[in-house]
Amino acid sequence: TQLLEQSPQFLSIQEGENLTVYCNSSSVFSSLQWYRQEPGEGPVLLVTVVTGGEVKKLKRLTFQFGDARKDSSLHITAAQTGDTGLYLCAGGIGMEYGNKLVFGAGTILRVKS
Amino acid sequence: SAVISQKPSRDICQRGTSLTIQCQVDSQVTMMFWYRQQPGQSLTLIATANQGSEATYESGFVIDKFPISRPNLTFSTLTVSNMSPEDSSIYLCSGEGMNTEAFFGQGTRLTVV
Repeated sequence: TQLLEQSPQFLSIQEGENLTVYCNSSSVFSSLQWYRQEPGEGPVLLVTVVTGGEVKKLKRLTFQFGDARKDSSLHITAAQTGDTGLYLCAGGIGMEYGNKLVFGAGTILRVKS
Repeated sequence: SAVISQKPSRDICQRGTSLTIQCQVDSQVTMMFWYRQQPGQSLTLIATANQGSEATYESGFVIDKFPISRPNLTFSTLTVSNMSPEDSSIYLCSGEGMNTEAFFGQGTRLTVV
């Protein structure tokens, strides 16, 4: 069973602070995605990384895929109250019938003004 | 990215009854998935909805309890059968993008009383 361990589970910070969320596994993933979800909505894709060592930036968000494609991190610089939400990492696994995603436990981020 | 419409968005149902959730994608997708999520927590994959064949269920989920239909490449339904309060949850459908990333509907919040 492939597991994706995500930490921390909960993060409460002041506006302007930086933070990092981690996802780790002993399994190799074909891709790694990060999603953000707000209450009452489905998760929304932020980024997909597919190459070991890949780094992607999306404004104040920086995503990194580990060299061995087993881990990833999400770093937010100068957090804003609008960043509040549930952040989920998900690893892509090739199956006989196609691909499926394994999700981390999620990180609830609260940014206070 | 695909746009996914899911309905109903919420429902309150009596125990022992069944509810069918519909998921419509605005473009053809090869893979569609159904997930369950407790508020503020991660997603658990119920099954992969296969077009033209029986759905592939994850461990702990069975067809008698969660029958799934996938008549074409843009539509799927999930039925929650013989409901009990333990089935109260958020149910989400998703379609798969090119790099296994998922595009989600807004979810169905089910409460069983």
